[in-house]
Amino acid sequence: QQQVKQSPQSLIVQKGGISIINCAYENTAFDYFPWYQQFPGKGPALLIAIRPDVSEKKEGRFTISFNKSAKQFSVHIMDSQPGDSATYFCAASKSYGQNFVFGPGTRLSVLP
Amino acid sequence: NAGVTQTPKFQVLKTGQSMTLQCAQDMNHEYMSWYRQDPGMGLRLIHYSVGAGITDQGEVPNGYNVSRSTTEDFPLRLLSAAPSQTSVYFCASSPRGGRVNEQFFGPGTRLTVL
Repeated sequence: QQQVKQSPQSLIVQKGGISIINCAYENTAFDYFPWYQQFPGKGPALLIAIRPDVSEKKEGRFTISFNKSAKQFSVHIMDSQPGDSATYFCAASKSYGQNFVFGPGTRLSVLP
Repeated sequence: NAGVTQTPKFQVLKTGQSMTLQCAQDMNHEYMSWYRQDPGMGLRLIHYSVGAGITDQGEVPNGYNVSRSTTEDFPLRLLSAAPSQTSVYFCASSPRGGRVNEQFFGPGTRLTVL
């Protein structure tokens, strides 16, 4: 079974700090790695995504780092804000497929 | 655009009952998927469709049926509900073509099977 592992399970960060969530995958055929953000009672929403042809992608306060040889990727949230408090999911898929595999999620709490 | 809509928002069933979870999208997306979300397990793919008339199984298809008669609608049927199907169900859609795989999720249906 294809798996995506995610850590930590939960994370508490002070306002202004850096939040880091890590994921690892097994299937080398995956070539699309999105991060989703989910607020309570809502569906997940795409936050940022990366493909293996780049090692880093930055959008505002969010940065994805990708290590193809280690089959790992992570998201860094700079200057974390209380409004960032949510559950974050990493996922992986093939570019032209619809079989997304999700990590188990990380619950982030940013303290004011 | 309403995006992806799901009905109902909440549902309680008794073991053995059947029901249909509705999903519709108005973005003319080719791809649609159903996921279930359980604590500590992320989202798991139940069934997906790459276009009208075409469906396929995901990771956890047992106990669920789907059909795709139109581009807009992708209902999920529970044939005989079991307590193990207590979960939050999300429908998602995404466009086909290019290298964009962004999935748009609906608000979810919280199902409890007693």
